[in-house]
Amino acid sequence: TQLLEQSPQFLSIQEGENLTVYCNSSSVFSSLQWYRQEPGEGPVLLVTVVTGGEVKKLKRLTFQFGDARKDSSLHITAAQPGDTGLYLCAGELGNNRLAFGKGNQVVVIP
Amino acid sequence: KAGVTQTPRYLIKTRGQQVTLSCSPISGHRSVSWYQQTPGQGLQFLFEYFSETQRNKGNFPGRFSGRQFSNSRSEMNVSTLELGDSALYLCASSLAGGDAAQYFGPGTRLLVL
Repeated sequence: TQLLEQSPQFLSIQEGENLTVYCNSSSVFSSLQWYRQEPGEGPVLLVTVVTGGEVKKLKRLTFQFGDARKDSSLHITAAQPGDTGLYLCAGELGNNRLAFGKGNQVVVIP
Repeated sequence: KAGVTQTPRYLIKTRGQQVTLSCSPISGHRSVSWYQQTPGQGLQFLFEYFSETQRNKGNFPGRFSGRQFSNSRSEMNVSTLELGDSALYLCASSLAGGDAAQYFGPGTRLLVL
């Protein structure tokens, strides 16, 4: 059973459009991390959210942590081809462990 | 500062063989975690080492093992390879531990025939 469910699994959009992907769980996490992975590379950390309701912005990317700290969303404004990649969320389980979702594959078409 | 390096990048083995993968963490990072990534299962945690001690282990059979050296470099070994072991093996290092911000290497792509 996957602790973190990410949806949609795959999303293809045109350059300039907006998109939102989701990371949901029935478990509470003390923090949640978002990573982006490009083909042939390892995941790269984008942001860590810690407080329920927290919103963090990274240029055109907006990350929100749910009030109950069970879910998170990533919104991309005016997507660009460089945003293409696999977006992974990871919840802190404690005991020095992270649980990863399977990812949201985003493709931005020029 | 150099990033996490993994060697080799690609590997082809046959069933029954064993394989050793290597990971050099970012300088100063004492925590090294290993993950297996497959399209069907996503990123699955294998184990985490800190200061040469295995602190955590995921739900993988005993064929998967690892170790960490005094310079924080780490190796993982898979014995008696099975077809299902074909995957991308990712190593990540961290300052604080396996649940803190992870810095991933590019991975080793293992194909078992």
